[in-house]
Amino acid sequence: DAKTTQPNSMESNEEEPVHLPCNHSTISGTDYIHWYRQLPSQGPEYVIHGLTSNVNNRMASLAIAEDRKSSTLILHRATLRDAAVYYCILRDGVGNRDDKIIFGKGTRLHILP
Amino acid sequence: GAGVSQSPRYKVAKRGQDVALRCDPISGHVSLFWYQQALGQGPEFLTYFQNEAQLDKSGLPSDRFFAERPEGSVSTLKIQRTQQEDSAVYLCASSSPPLVQQPYEQYFGPGTRLTVT
Repeated sequence: DAKTTQPNSMESNEEEPVHLPCNHSTISGTDYIHWYRQLPSQGPEYVIHGLTSNVNNRMASLAIAEDRKSSTLILHRATLRDAAVYYCILRDGVGNRDDKIIFGKGTRLHILP
Repeated sequence: GAGVSQSPRYKVAKRGQDVALRCDPISGHVSLFWYQQALGQGPEFLTYFQNEAQLDKSGLPSDRFFAERPEGSVSTLKIQRTQQEDSAVYLCASSSPPLVQQPYEQYFGPGTRLTVT
């Protein structure tokens, strides 16, 4: 899995949108962009993933740059429960799709009440 | 349905003791992964099972670490002669093929926090 770069930490106010950036300049054509998050004292949980097009689900939106070298996870209205470490991960969609996940350090998101 | 469960949630061991950590994956999930997470770091891969077969153990840090999944469901991670550097959260994840050809989503348990004193 290729490498990603994320800020170590970010802060946002409650009930405001949050944009979490991720750079992945060495992404290959078959890599999917996945986001997981880890709430305090819990295991990571899947948030969203995409390949080329922007994606929306009930948790978040994923905006992918046209050249796919960066992406942004968007939480539309942050709540205190969104305080977590967010991991941006590249996963191969052609080789072993059941492969281990290679996590970086992620971005620790603080939500201010 | 029930998610991935792990037991115990917390374990304190004296240096040199053996420990066994249990993982109950989601029913029907073929694949099972173990990860180790040190404080302030992201999880790091330890080992991977497909049913009862251990297909990848490249992440196990030493021969003191041993994992098994004898019947293809419950898995146990055993650490012999624990050392202080083994203190970490041990996470288990299971996965199942998605409906379309995409990377498999992994479902994680809450982890076992091991403290070696």
